[in-house]
Amino acid sequence: NAGVTQTPKFRVLKTGQSMTLLCAQDMNHEYMYWYRQDPGMGLRLIHYSVGEGTTAKGEVPDGYNVSRLKKQNFLLGLESAAPSQTSVYFCASSYSKQGAKNIQYFGAGTRLSVL
Amino acid sequence: GENVEQHPSTLSVQEGDSAVIKCTYSDSASNYFPWYKQELGKRPQLIIDIRSNVGEKKDQRIAVTLNKTAKHFSLHITETQPEDSAVYFCAASKSPWYNQGGKLIFGQGTELSVKP
Repeated sequence: NAGVTQTPKFRVLKTGQSMTLLCAQDMNHEYMYWYRQDPGMGLRLIHYSVGEGTTAKGEVPDGYNVSRLKKQNFLLGLESAAPSQTSVYFCASSYSKQGAKNIQYFGAGTRLSVL
Repeated sequence: GENVEQHPSTLSVQEGDSAVIKCTYSDSASNYFPWYKQELGKRPQLIIDIRSNVGEKKDQRIAVTLNKTAKHFSLHITETQPEDSAVYFCAASKSPWYNQGGKLIFGQGTELSVKP
């Protein structure tokens, strides 16, 4: 049981390049999330998904797109990277069942630098 | 919109002392308040949580208190140890959380340093 796995762990992009971050979970969770973490800003929600085939915007969605084609995978895309997107990106997942605790399980993070 | 404010941003204590981190939330509909700990270079992990129908919860050296009237909640760590050094995040979510997509609104984080 690997939990939540993110790939890649590190990436350097040039301004204008595109890339996709992959998040995979093996806990059969319905809900999945993408956050970015910047110094002094905490964890800010980019997009989230409440199930396969669904996505929704979080607090800071501009410049990002997501897809949830399979229940276990949640992809975050940057179509044209900007230096302002330099950050550490975390994926998380949680159960959706009534009565269950809303515990979010995080991946190890992706450190992205945009030059 | 929903907002969670966390203070202080940094906290330095001597080993064995207590540490207190405070958060305030803006949405009175919030009813679940977890705390996450993130060690340097690691992922955030849940350490304790509290629901709005409870005023205090303890787990060994850590405790969380909630004041619904004032809309604030706090994390208390007693007898701090060097391994408590980390960034701590508070968060809040509304009820029923499963109808809200399980969304958490996080505070800005507190970097706790415990000096031996």
